[in-house]
Amino acid sequence: QVQLKESGPGLVQPSQTLSLTCTVSGFSLTSYNVHWVRQPPGKGLEWMGVIWSGGNTDYNSALKPRLSISRDTSKSQVFLTMNSLQTEDTGIYYCNRNWDGGYFDFWGPGTMVTVSS
Amino acid sequence: DIQMTQSPASLSASLGETVTIECLASEDIYSNLAWYQQKPGKSPQLLIYYANSLNDGVPSRFSGSGSGTQYSLKINSLQSEDVSIYFCQQNYDSPPTFGGGTKLELK
Repeated sequence: QVQLKESGPGLVQPSQTLSLTCTVSGFSLTSYNVHWVRQPPGKGLEWMGVIWSGGNTDYNSALKPRLSISRDTSKSQVFLTMNSLQTEDTGIYYCNRNWDGGYFDFWGPGTMVTVSS
Repeated sequence: DIQMTQSPASLSASLGETVTIECLASEDIYSNLAWYQQKPGKSPQLLIYYANSLNDGVPSRFSGSGSGTQYSLKINSLQSEDVSIYFCQQNYDSPPTFGGGTKLELK
């Protein structure tokens, strides 16, 4: 069955770099797009970026200078790297998938990231 | 970016009641709209897509409607398991954008 699962450090110091991994199963990264969406505590959802099934990427313009998304199709993993973290980057980070023109039909459980010294 | 405005921000209703949540887009999104349900401590789950298509396994008491810039999610005969936060999301233009959410509680 389709599954996505995020993993990462949990706690990151201000100004440091966040590295998250989304490990997927039940589908191919060359057939579906994988997105990252984050949610600050008690707030709404913010789309961060996508790695398309073909391997290209797009980013939220507000995050683009700090954000990078890549993948390893042999390991069914998608990676998020974001630098210069600040306290406002604290929140739950989700990966999800969609098909071209489609909607986010499966989401990972999310991973909490706290930016604090 | 297309702005999505949801109303109300919070809603309290009784079991068995019918509730409606609204979503207003800043421009025409041609029915490219989804609704997600986020239960406490869980990730969002797709309820409705293309404004009115029910996702697999979603109870028929949920329905979506709308066109142009105005959309709504209707829940008939409210159940206790419907206590959640509901988000709309437009998929017409990049970047995909979400409404601020509607928190639904039981009265």
